[in-house]
Amino acid sequence: DQQVKQNSPSLSVQEGRISILNCDYTNSMFDYFLWYKKYPAEGPTFLISISSIKDKNEDGRFTVFLNKSAKHLSLHIVPSQPGDSAVYFCAALGGFKTIFGAGTRLFVKA
Amino acid sequence: GAVVSQHPSWVICKSGTSVKIECRSLDFQATTMFWYRQFPKQSLMLMATSNEGSKATYEQGVEKDKFLINHASLTLSTLTVTSAHPEDSSFYICSAWTGQDTGELFFGEGSRLTVL
Repeated sequence: DQQVKQNSPSLSVQEGRISILNCDYTNSMFDYFLWYKKYPAEGPTFLISISSIKDKNEDGRFTVFLNKSAKHLSLHIVPSQPGDSAVYFCAALGGFKTIFGAGTRLFVKA
Repeated sequence: GAVVSQHPSWVICKSGTSVKIECRSLDFQATTMFWYRQFPKQSLMLMATSNEGSKATYEQGVEKDKFLINHASLTLSTLTVTSAHPEDSSFYICSAWTGQDTGELFFGEGSRLTVL
Protein backbone atom coordinates (compact mmCIF):
# COMPACT_ATOMS: atom_id res chain seq x y z
CA ASP A 1 0.00 0.00 0.00
CA GLN A 2 1.58 3.21 -1.15
CA GLN A 3 1.23 5.86 1.50
CA VAL A 4 2.58 8.61 -0.71
CA LYS A 5 1.63 8.74 -4.36
CA GLN A 6 2.73 10.87 -7.24
CA ASN A 7 0.31 9.78 -9.89
CA SER A 8 1.86 11.59 -12.80
CA PRO A 9 5.11 9.98 -13.90
CA SER A 10 5.90 12.92 -16.15
CA LEU A 11 4.85 16.48 -16.89
CA SER A 12 5.74 18.76 -19.78
CA VAL A 13 5.49 22.54 -19.44
CA GLN A 14 6.44 25.49 -21.59
CA GLU A 15 9.14 27.80 -20.30
CA GLY A 16 7.65 30.71 -18.37
CA ARG A 17 4.46 28.87 -17.50
CA ILE A 18 3.50 27.33 -14.20
CA SER A 19 4.48 23.77 -13.33
CA ILE A 20 2.22 22.01 -10.86
CA LEU A 21 3.38 18.76 -9.36
CA ASN A 22 0.98 16.78 -7.24
CA CYS A 23 1.33 14.36 -4.38
CA ASP A 24 -1.31 12.46 -2.41
CA TYR A 25 -0.91 10.69 0.90
CA THR A 26 -3.02 8.40 3.01
CA ASN A 27 -1.66 8.74 6.54
CA SER A 28 -2.94 11.76 8.41
CA MET A 29 -0.19 11.37 11.05
CA PHE A 30 2.58 12.77 8.90
CA ASP A 31 4.27 15.74 10.57
CA TYR A 32 5.66 17.46 7.55
CA PHE A 33 6.21 17.11 3.88
CA LEU A 34 8.95 18.10 1.58
CA TRP A 35 9.86 18.30 -2.05
CA TYR A 36 13.22 17.70 -3.57
CA LYS A 37 14.47 17.34 -7.10
CA LYS A 38 17.04 15.14 -8.67
CA TYR A 39 19.03 15.31 -11.88
CA PRO A 40 20.31 12.04 -13.36
CA ALA A 41 23.51 10.79 -11.72
CA GLU A 42 23.44 13.64 -9.20
CA GLY A 43 22.39 13.86 -5.60
CA PRO A 44 19.00 15.12 -4.48
CA THR A 45 18.47 18.84 -4.03
CA PHE A 46 16.15 19.93 -1.26
CA LEU A 47 13.57 22.42 -2.48
CA ILE A 48 10.97 23.24 0.09
CA SER A 49 9.11 21.75 3.00
CA ILE A 50 5.85 22.39 4.80
CA SER A 51 4.74 21.60 8.31
CA SER A 52 1.45 19.79 8.73
CA ILE A 53 0.06 22.80 10.59
CA LYS A 54 0.55 25.09 7.60
CA ASP A 55 -1.27 25.18 4.31
CA LYS A 56 1.23 27.13 2.25
CA ASN A 57 4.93 27.79 2.16
CA GLU A 58 6.63 29.93 -0.43
CA ASP A 59 10.28 30.25 -1.34
CA GLY A 60 11.11 32.21 -4.46
CA ARG A 61 9.66 30.50 -7.49
CA PHE A 62 8.57 27.51 -5.45
CA THR A 63 5.36 27.29 -3.46
CA VAL A 64 4.03 24.23 -1.72
CA PHE A 65 0.36 23.93 -0.86
CA LEU A 66 -1.01 21.47 1.64
CA ASN A 67 -4.66 20.45 1.74
CA LYS A 68 -4.99 18.30 4.82
CA SER A 69 -8.63 17.45 4.35
CA ALA A 70 -7.88 16.09 0.89
CA LYS A 71 -4.51 14.66 1.98
CA HIS A 72 -2.97 16.37 -0.98
CA LEU A 73 0.01 18.59 -1.52
CA SER A 74 1.28 20.30 -4.60
CA LEU A 75 4.41 22.08 -5.69
CA HIS A 76 4.04 25.12 -7.92
CA ILE A 77 6.99 26.42 -9.88
CA VAL A 78 6.46 29.84 -11.40
CA PRO A 79 7.86 30.74 -13.85
CA SER A 80 9.20 27.41 -15.04
CA GLN A 81 12.69 27.40 -16.48
CA PRO A 82 14.49 24.81 -18.63
CA GLY A 83 16.88 24.21 -15.75
CA ASP A 84 13.96 23.00 -13.68
CA SER A 85 13.77 19.86 -15.82
CA ALA A 86 14.43 17.05 -13.36
CA VAL A 87 12.65 14.39 -11.37
CA TYR A 88 10.72 15.78 -8.41
CA PHE A 89 10.02 13.70 -5.34
CA CYS A 90 7.63 14.40 -2.53
CA ALA A 91 8.28 12.85 0.84
CA ALA A 92 6.29 12.64 4.04
CA LEU A 93 7.84 12.43 7.47
CA GLY A 94 6.18 11.08 10.56
CA GLY A 95 6.76 8.60 13.32
CA PHE A 96 10.47 8.53 12.51
CA LYS A 97 9.65 7.22 9.07
CA THR A 98 10.09 8.79 5.68
CA ILE A 99 7.80 7.76 2.89
CA PHE A 100 8.57 8.77 -0.67
CA GLY A 101 6.55 9.23 -3.77
CA ALA A 102 7.77 7.57 -6.94
CA GLY A 103 8.70 10.88 -8.51
CA THR A 104 7.45 12.99 -11.40
CA ARG A 105 9.73 13.86 -14.26
CA LEU A 106 9.31 17.48 -15.28
CA PHE A 107 10.25 18.66 -18.76
CA VAL A 108 10.39 22.40 -19.26
CA LYS A 109 10.51 23.25 -22.94
CA ALA A 110 12.31 26.37 -24.10
CA GLY B 1 13.95 0.05 4.51
CA ALA B 2 17.06 2.08 5.02
CA VAL B 3 17.55 3.59 8.44
CA VAL B 4 19.18 6.80 9.50
CA SER B 5 19.83 7.28 13.19
CA GLN B 6 20.55 10.48 15.06
CA HIS B 7 22.12 10.77 18.48
CA PRO B 8 21.34 12.25 20.88
CA SER B 9 17.63 12.62 20.28
CA TRP B 10 17.42 15.28 22.95
CA VAL B 11 20.12 17.37 24.55
CA ILE B 12 20.10 20.23 27.02
CA CYS B 13 23.22 22.31 27.45
CA LYS B 14 24.41 25.51 29.05
CA SER B 15 24.98 28.61 27.00
CA GLY B 16 28.54 28.79 25.71
CA THR B 17 29.12 25.08 25.47
CA SER B 18 29.41 23.04 22.28
CA VAL B 19 27.14 20.18 21.34
CA LYS B 20 27.77 17.42 18.82
CA ILE B 21 24.96 15.63 17.04
CA GLU B 22 25.64 12.44 15.12
CA CYS B 23 23.86 11.17 12.05
CA ARG B 24 24.47 7.58 11.04
CA SER B 25 23.23 5.57 8.11
CA LEU B 26 22.78 2.14 9.63
CA ASP B 27 22.47 -0.15 6.66
CA PHE B 28 23.77 1.75 3.70
CA GLN B 29 26.62 4.01 2.73
CA ALA B 30 25.58 7.61 2.36
CA THR B 31 27.34 9.49 -0.38
CA THR B 32 25.74 12.71 0.71
CA MET B 33 24.19 13.84 3.95
CA PHE B 34 22.10 16.90 4.60
CA TRP B 35 21.44 18.85 7.77
CA TYR B 36 18.23 20.75 8.40
CA ARG B 37 16.89 22.92 11.14
CA GLN B 38 13.28 23.25 12.13
CA PHE B 39 12.06 26.16 14.17
CA PRO B 40 8.88 25.68 16.22
CA LYS B 41 5.86 25.35 13.97
CA GLN B 42 8.00 26.15 10.95
CA SER B 43 9.14 24.10 8.01
CA LEU B 44 12.51 22.52 7.58
CA MET B 45 15.36 24.76 6.57
CA LEU B 46 18.31 23.21 4.82
CA MET B 47 21.50 24.21 6.58
CA ALA B 48 24.20 22.41 4.67
CA THR B 49 25.07 19.57 2.35
CA SER B 50 28.04 17.35 3.07
CA ASN B 51 29.78 14.84 0.86
CA GLU B 52 32.01 12.23 2.40
CA GLY B 53 35.59 13.40 2.62
CA SER B 54 34.99 16.97 1.52
CA LYS B 55 33.94 20.24 3.10
CA ALA B 56 30.29 20.88 3.63
CA THR B 57 28.41 23.34 1.46
CA TYR B 58 26.45 25.75 3.61
CA GLU B 59 23.27 27.50 2.66
CA GLN B 60 23.19 31.26 2.64
CA GLY B 61 22.84 32.73 6.09
CA VAL B 62 24.15 29.67 7.92
CA GLU B 63 27.32 30.34 9.88
CA LYS B 64 29.80 27.63 9.03
CA ASP B 65 32.02 28.48 11.99
CA LYS B 66 29.12 28.02 14.32
CA PHE B 67 27.66 24.90 12.80
CA LEU B 68 30.59 22.61 12.10
CA ILE B 69 29.81 19.66 9.89
CA ASN B 70 32.08 16.70 9.47
CA HIS B 71 31.37 13.82 7.14
CA ALA B 72 34.33 11.62 7.91
CA SER B 73 32.93 8.34 6.67
CA LEU B 74 30.22 7.05 4.41
CA THR B 75 28.04 6.19 7.38
CA LEU B 76 28.60 9.10 9.75
CA SER B 77 28.14 12.84 9.64
CA THR B 78 28.32 15.10 12.67
CA LEU B 79 26.96 18.55 13.35
CA THR B 80 28.65 20.50 16.13
CA VAL B 81 26.92 23.58 17.41
CA THR B 82 29.77 25.64 18.82
CA SER B 83 29.35 28.09 21.68
CA ALA B 84 25.65 27.42 21.73
CA HIS B 85 23.21 30.15 22.72
CA PRO B 86 19.50 29.99 23.51
CA GLU B 87 18.64 31.10 19.99
CA ASP B 88 20.30 27.94 18.72
CA SER B 89 17.63 25.90 20.46
CA SER B 90 15.89 24.01 17.72
CA PHE B 91 15.15 20.65 16.19
CA TYR B 92 17.97 19.44 13.96
CA ILE B 93 17.37 16.74 11.37
CA CYS B 94 19.73 14.97 9.03
CA SER B 95 19.05 13.05 5.86
CA ALA B 96 21.21 10.73 3.86
CA TRP B 97 21.28 9.87 0.20
CA THR B 98 22.16 6.35 -0.83
CA GLY B 99 23.80 7.47 -4.01
CA GLN B 100 21.32 5.46 -6.02
CA ASP B 101 19.57 7.10 -8.89
CA THR B 102 16.22 6.20 -7.38
CA GLY B 103 16.55 9.46 -5.50
CA GLU B 104 15.59 8.07 -2.13
CA LEU B 105 16.55 10.34 0.68
CA PHE B 106 16.26 8.91 4.19
CA PHE B 107 15.75 11.08 7.24
CA GLY B 108 16.88 10.71 10.81
CA GLU B 109 14.45 11.07 13.65
CA GLY B 110 15.82 14.44 14.64
CA SER B 111 17.66 15.89 17.62
CA ARG B 112 16.13 18.48 19.88
CA LEU B 113 18.62 20.96 21.28
CA THR B 114 17.71 23.17 24.20
CA VAL B 115 20.26 25.75 25.26
CA LEU B 116 19.73 27.24 28.71
